This record gives sequence, C-alpha cells and structure tokens, in this order.
Amino acid sequence: DAKTTQPPSMDCAEGRAANLPCNHSTISGNEYVYWYRQIHSQGPQYIIHGLKNNETNEMASLIITEDRKSSTLILPHATLRDTAVYYCIVRVAGGNQGGKLIFGQGTELSVKP
Amino acid sequence: GAVVSQHPSRVICKSGTSVKIECRSLDFQATTMFWYRQFPKQSLMLMATSNEGSKATYEQGVEKDKFLINHASLTLSTLTVTSAHPEDSSFYICSAKSLQETQYFGPGTRLLVL
Repeated sequence: DAKTTQPPSMDCAEGRAANLPCNHSTISGNEYVYWYRQIHSQGPQYIIHGLKNNETNEMASLIITEDRKSSTLILPHATLRDTAVYYCIVRVAGGNQGGKLIFGQGTELSVKP
Repeated sequence: GAVVSQHPSRVICKSGTSVKIECRSLDFQATTMFWYRQFPKQSLMLMATSNEGSKATYEQGVEKDKFLINHASLTLSTLTVTSAHPEDSSFYICSAKSLQETQYFGPGTRLLVL
C-alpha cells in the first residue's frame, strides 16, 4: 500500500473550517483514500473515503486532486469535539487480507476556542 | 449502524495469566476482522488479520502462540493474550470490515499486566 505524509500537528479556530492535507504521491490506480480520526483513549472513527471523485458526508468533505497524489479533508465548521488525531490511509480494497489499514503518525488537530 | 463493541473495556491481570478480549460487530456481519495494539503516544500497529473460519494471518514480529486469535462466527473474534507479561500492557483495538469494505473500530481494551 502507498505511504502517506501528513503534517504532525495543526491548529484551527472553533467555528472555522479545518483543512487537513495528505500527500500520497505513490498511490496506485486501485487504491482508495480513507480518513479516520482518533479521539484520546478511544478507537478510531471512520470519517470518509474516496477513489478519485470528491466526496461529502455529514461529517466532512474529501477533496482528491486530479492526479490523485494528494487529498484534503475538510471539516466545515470545526468544534472543540473535533480535536483528535486524523489519519489519512490509502489501501487496496478486496481480498481476505486486502483492506488492512496501516496507520501512520497522523495529524494532531487542536481546535481552539 | 456499523457498531463494533469490545469486552472488557479495561482489564488488570497478574503476570503469567491469560486474558481474553472479545470483539463483536453488532449490526453487520464481518468476514474479516483486524487486531491492533497501541502504546502510549504511538500510532496503531496492526497485529493480525482474522478471517471467519480460518487461521489468522499475523504481521511480522507478532508471536502467534502468544496472541491467539479465534474468529468463530461472522460477528465475533477473540484475542487471547497468553502468559501475559508487563510489556504486553497496551491498548488493544479491533476492527471489523463491512461488506462495503469499510473498517469500523471498537472502543478498545486497555490491558495492564502487573
């Protein structure tokens, strides 16, 4: 699976949009981009995923560049409860071992009042 | 939907004893479940992939005889830490893969071995 690069930490003001970048320059054509977040002492929470089109759900939007070498997770109106470590992971879907997630260090997002 | 539970949420045991952790997908069936562990201030580390009805596949460096994994049904996988030692103290997290290929994680089990 392709590796990802994320900034180690970011700050965001409460109520503003949080834009979290991720580089995945070696991504393959059949690899999806997944975003999870982990609030302290809890299991990771699924946020969103995409292949090449931009995606939006009730939690966030995912913008994937046309060459698919990078993506941005957007939390439109960050709240204090969005403070967490955000992980960007690329993986191949399918197969018995396909789909395993390899976690990097992620981005620690601090939302400040 | 897509809820995964773990039991117990925390456990303290004596060195040399075995501890079993259960992982259940509550509202979906999961042919594949995964086990991770996480040490303080570190990221999650994949330990093994568990497929229903077959033997688990362990990541390099993970002792299969120490971390016994059983995936007897489409909604339950168990991890048994055998002869636990203080260095096994960690946060153990499972995930279950849905038919749509998305993994959903349990809340984690904090193990402390004295």
